[in-house]
Amino acid sequence: QKEVEQDPGPLSVPEGAIVSLNCTYSNSAFQYFMWYRQYSRKGPELLMYTYSSGNKEDGRFTAQVDKSSKYISLFIRDSQPSDSATYLCASLESSTLGRLYFGRGTQLTVWP
Amino acid sequence: EAQVTQNPRYLITVTGKKLTVTCSQNMNHEYMSWYRQDPGLGLRQIYYSMNVEVTDKGDVPEGYKVSRKEKRNFPLILESPSPNQTSLYFCASSLYLNTEAFFGQGTRLTVV
Repeated sequence: QKEVEQDPGPLSVPEGAIVSLNCTYSNSAFQYFMWYRQYSRKGPELLMYTYSSGNKEDGRFTAQVDKSSKYISLFIRDSQPSDSATYLCASLESSTLGRLYFGRGTQLTVWP
Repeated sequence: EAQVTQNPRYLITVTGKKLTVTCSQNMNHEYMSWYRQDPGLGLRQIYYSMNVEVTDKGDVPEGYKVSRKEKRNFPLILESPSPNQTSLYFCASSLYLNTEAFFGQGTRLTVV
């Protein structure tokens, strides 16, 4: 079992839709949770960062972590064609030891 | 400009011919890593380095070598490349393990 599981999609939605992207993880010791966005032919870039449980909002994006169910979510409100990309969730246990674990990425297309 | 620079961006080589992909960061980051990205498999970590002279295996280290003699450089070496190493490779660096990872632009390697 992978440390972080993510449905690869693809996911296709109309402009303006609310998008929900999800991951699950297996290591209960994970404390740091991140979402990266990767445009075609580019390297991933950090989109959202959460420490421990709870919600974090940044503009149209909300990251949510539920440690009781080991569930990570990213919500995109009022989705735009420019949001079309691959979204990767990532988790790690410690700030000093171990490594960062990525999900496989979900490919999202927002059509006008 | 803060960046991670990989070279070359594209490379076609033949089976068994040793090659090196260079990676350099100008942000004085402690942590560096190499990933390969394949369709359906997502980002898989090859090797990572917590600091100079400290490296460790990721998910798929077989067939690869790395070294970290200086803080800014983290080259990936394929001693005897094989066709199953055809992939898109990314180098990444972060100040610490739990801070934002900055990715290079990627190196598309084809082994024939």
